[in-house]
Amino acid sequence: AQSVAQPEDQVNVAEGNPLTVKCTYSVSGNPYLFWYVQYPNRGLQFLLKYITGDNLVKGSYGFEAEFNKSQTSFHLKKPSALVSDSALYFCAVSEGTGRRALTFGSGTRLQVQP
Amino acid sequence: NAGVTQTPKFRILKIGQSMTLQCTQDMNHNYMYWYRQDPGMGLKLIYYSVGAGITDKGEVPNGYNVSRSTTEDFPLRLELAAPSQTSVYFCASSYSDRVENIQYFGAGTRLSVL
Repeated sequence: AQSVAQPEDQVNVAEGNPLTVKCTYSVSGNPYLFWYVQYPNRGLQFLLKYITGDNLVKGSYGFEAEFNKSQTSFHLKKPSALVSDSALYFCAVSEGTGRRALTFGSGTRLQVQP
Repeated sequence: NAGVTQTPKFRILKIGQSMTLQCTQDMNHNYMYWYRQDPGMGLKLIYYSVGAGITDKGEVPNGYNVSRSTTEDFPLRLELAAPSQTSVYFCASSYSDRVENIQYFGAGTRLSVL
């Protein structure tokens, strides 16, 4: 069975500093990895995905994520945080053929302080 | 461009009551999904549909029913509401069932069962 772990409930960072939101996964086959963001009272919005190819994936709003197969990780990063990045971030995984749905992590709340 | 629209936004039910959560999308997506989001947890799949007239169970289908008579609409029905169904419900859609496909989410329905 596939699973996702987000080990931090909350990440606090000062505006202008780099941020990292951690995600590790477990699948039996090749992973398809996603990051979604949820702003208050809104649905989830797609940020970026890794399917194959370059281990560094660039997404919306200046976010990027690094796929590390040996560590089974897919950490979300941004070089310089903005207060407007404060939101709930979800990592999700799917392991491939025959599985249409995603398995989501429990979410990490990012708080960017001015 | 509306995307995925869910109604109502909020609802309070008494134990044993029934209700239908509405979901409609205007992107002509074949694939639609219902998730629930409990506090501190990731999203869990309730039901999904691969097209009009075709539905299937997800991880947590008990206590729910769905139908898909049109491409646009995918209502979720609670027949006998229970406190355990207090949650935030999200509807999503995607263009295809390929695992790398992006899912688009509605803003959610917050349901309390008292």
